[in-house]
Amino acid sequence: DTAVSQTPKYLVTQMGNDKSIKCEQNLGHDTMYWYKQDSKKFLKIMFSYNNKELIINETVPNRFSPKSPDKAHLNLHINSLELGDSAVYFCASSPGGQHSGNTIYFGEGSWLTVV
Amino acid sequence: DQQVKQNSPSLSVQEGRISILNCDYTNSMFDYFLWYKKYPAEGPTFLISISSIKDKNEDGRFTVFLNKSAKHLSLHIVPSQPGDSAVYFCAASHYNTDKLIFGTGTRLQVFP
Repeated sequence: DTAVSQTPKYLVTQMGNDKSIKCEQNLGHDTMYWYKQDSKKFLKIMFSYNNKELIINETVPNRFSPKSPDKAHLNLHINSLELGDSAVYFCASSPGGQHSGNTIYFGEGSWLTVV
Repeated sequence: DQQVKQNSPSLSVQEGRISILNCDYTNSMFDYFLWYKKYPAEGPTFLISISSIKDKNEDGRFTVFLNKSAKHLSLHIVPSQPGDSAVYFCAASHYNTDKLIFGTGTRLQVFP
């Protein structure tokens, strides 16, 4: 019974395409996140939403647009994909903010390869 | 500017011995620290955390030590088991920004 699930797990697509990654959490958490792990293994936050409201936007290109239809879902849409977007994208959730001492639960990751 | 650094990309330890993973940080505003464990093709899972008001937190075989003056924390695993083989990420946050900053990870291999 997966707590944070994201789809697809693997995605290979051509430059210039538009793609979406979906994320759902069944933990009843208020806060959801998107993290990116690049080729150098840096794991960095991209976005944070609390109850469908954008809290953190970490200088991400506006080709990346998160959408939260409800607090259990946070989808990531990427327009005009570039080679440098190739990375692993992790969705995550927590009961409150990241600094409230709450554990953050991560999804299994979505491996995006842009060719 | 990498505010959280794990300078050892890998560590190899014999089963039953102690594993010590190190993490350094540069931002003195950080006041909450966490360790995450990650297996291949899976997301990171929370392992243990420590607040800056403490210098030690223990949970079973896992202990995290915090040295604020040196801006250094470490994770001790004893005794190490083959199932501990994974990548370990150190992370830090501070109240004002409410976001986690991760290190680049240390790959631990525990061999029989």
